[in-house]
Amino acid sequence: LAKTTQPISMDSYEGQEVNITCSHNNIATNDYITWYQQFPSQGPRFIIQGYKTKVTNEVASLFIPADRKSSTLSLPRVSLSDTAVYYCLVGPSGSARQLTFGSGTQLTVLP
Amino acid sequence: DAGITQSPRHKVTETGTPVTLRCHQTENHRYMYWYRQDPGHGLRLIHYSYGVKDTDKGEVSDGYSVSRSKTEDFLLTLESATSSQTSVYFCAIRVASNEQYFGPGTRLTVT
Repeated sequence: LAKTTQPISMDSYEGQEVNITCSHNNIATNDYITWYQQFPSQGPRFIIQGYKTKVTNEVASLFIPADRKSSTLSLPRVSLSDTAVYYCLVGPSGSARQLTFGSGTQLTVLP
Repeated sequence: DAGITQSPRHKVTETGTPVTLRCHQTENHRYMYWYRQDPGHGLRLIHYSYGVKDTDKGEVSDGYSVSRSKTEDFLLTLESATSSQTSVYFCAIRVASNEQYFGPGTRLTVT
């Protein structure tokens, strides 16, 4: 299983762009990178998934370098409501047992 | 949004008593999961199901059993609850490759 490493916490201010980096040095060829967001007292919510290069949706962008040993979740112009824990997961498509949630990154957006 | 409910939402029980948590989905997804989440930890997979009567263990399955007699229901049973099983339990369904949709959670306290 590919182990992931993320910062434990980050602070930002409203309106700023936030980049959260995840290291996954032993990512396998068939592994995808998936990010989830979790608010207090709620289940995690899928944000974005990618395999290589860049993926963008209405919420975030995911940047994956050519060697795929890391990835960066980018949140444009954060607001107070983006305060949450963000999880980086690495695993093959469709396998429940190989999706592991680590401790995540607590993002706090300040006014 | 995928329809997924959990019941009960809160439960307090005594050590040694059996407890069953229910997860119900309305969308006919094949894969369903049970996780637990404890302070300072990410989510840990307990059991998962890949179809009616088809289940498998996750990383923290000891002390738990599951059943899936219908597509829409996935039950988690603690045969004899212990204080170490005090946790928040989340059910999830797989809606796309590596994309899981989580229920609202059940907060279980074992006294």
